[in-house]
Amino acid sequence: QVQLQESGPGLVRPSQTLSLTCSVSGGSISRGDNYWSWIRQPPGKGLEWIGYIYYSGSTYYNPSLKSRITISADTSKNQFSLNLSSVTAADTAVYYCARATWGSGGYYFDYWGQGTLVTVSS
Amino acid sequence: QSALTQPASVSGSPGQSITISCTGTSSDVGSYNLVSWFQQHPGKAPKLMIYEVTKRPSGVSNRFSGSKSGNTASLTISGLQAEDEADYYCCSYAGSSTYVFGTGTKVTVL
Repeated sequence: QVQLQESGPGLVRPSQTLSLTCSVSGGSISRGDNYWSWIRQPPGKGLEWIGYIYYSGSTYYNPSLKSRITISADTSKNQFSLNLSSVTAADTAVYYCARATWGSGGYYFDYWGQGTLVTVSS
Repeated sequence: QSALTQPASVSGSPGQSITISCTGTSSDVGSYNLVSWFQQHPGKAPKLMIYEVTKRPSGVSNRFSGSKSGNTASLTISGLQAEDEADYYCCSYAGSSTYVFGTGTKVTVL
């Protein structure tokens, strides 16, 4: 059973960089039919796809966030990370990491971490 | 890339069937059979209920079913139960290796 666990600061100052790590257990992020994703949910609001990474380093990002996002992977630690720069209060959200699995022509998000709340405030 | 449109709320009595719609465009829902549905209870992570429009992951009740017509996908919950009360989100592939979620629907069991 794959398990994902987010970690990182719960409070980030405005204009700074939000950095989170997702640790994966029960499966390797180097498995060929998976992408590794970040998804967020502002308090009381809906879900927003941030982006995802393949173990080889290929990344795809939400166009609305692309200029501020970097997703990276460390296969030796079986972890992947999110950096979101120049944060504002609008970036306050629960951040989830999730596994995307290849199905019949596309990916779907089948395993999720429990989520971690990041608050942007001075 | 705009969020897919879902009704804010849907309600039903125990045992009834309800349907949640998810309306996108010809660039997302209408172009790909890659619509998923997630159930989210308060304070919990989303749970995959349907993927690729109609497929159910192992362990998900067959009371949950999905369909699609044109730019609109739908999730039907039959034999509504108290435990089905939750928020539900659709998600679609939107081309160029990107994804878009729906606005979310709160399901209330009366």
